[in-house]
Amino acid sequence: EVQLVESGGGLVQPGGSLRLSCAASGFTFSSYWMSWVRQAPGKGLEWVANIKQDGSEKYYVDSVKGRFTISRDNAKNSLYLQMNSLRAEDTAVYYCARARRSRGCYFDYWGQGTLVTVSS
Amino acid sequence: EIVMTQSPATLSVSPGERATLSCRASQSVSSNLAWYQQKPGQAPRLLIYGASTRATGIPARFSGSGSGTEFTLTISSLQSEDFAVYYCQQYNNWPNTFGQGTKLEIK
Repeated sequence: EVQLVESGGGLVQPGGSLRLSCAASGFTFSSYWMSWVRQAPGKGLEWVANIKQDGSEKYYVDSVKGRFTISRDNAKNSLYLQMNSLRAEDTAVYYCARARRSRGCYFDYWGQGTLVTVSS
Repeated sequence: EIVMTQSPATLSVSPGERATLSCRASQSVSSNLAWYQQKPGQAPRLLIYGASTRATGIPARFSGSGSGTEFTLTISSLQSEDFAVYYCQQYNNWPNTFGQGTKLEIK
């Protein structure tokens, strides 16, 4: 059974940093693109970042470029999102998702999400 | 950026009836279109990819159609567990973008 479990969310002040983690199991992690998708409270879904199987390609939505960094450790079956210079508009539930690459990516398995709140 | 527009915003349907949800892209996305279901407090679940292919474990009452800029998700006979929010997503162009969602509620 595919499982994705996020952790690392919490309350952080504007301008602060946070590192999210996602522990994957039930599939060969190193064979899949992985992604982060977020959802602001009461709002829709927004793709945030993707990373290729070996980490050699990374893509970001414009609003987080230069502030967020996606990475992975295939030996630990883990995905990460380093978030710096956080803003109020980054407040959201952040989902880790397994991505299927076809032109772009769609997401076939999702974690339960971790809430990030940026507020003073 | 491709804008995905879903209609209607809210759809009220009785159990056992058919529901038809629409998704329009601001430019062609070919058949690179996915549909997701999200229930309150839960993560989204993939229903359809490639505009019309059901994901693993998705019941046959869910079907997708369309290509280019116009897409439809049809639920043939609504069950109580189908009342949720549905999102379309294009993955033809970067950034991959989602529609704003259609809330399917019990009439």
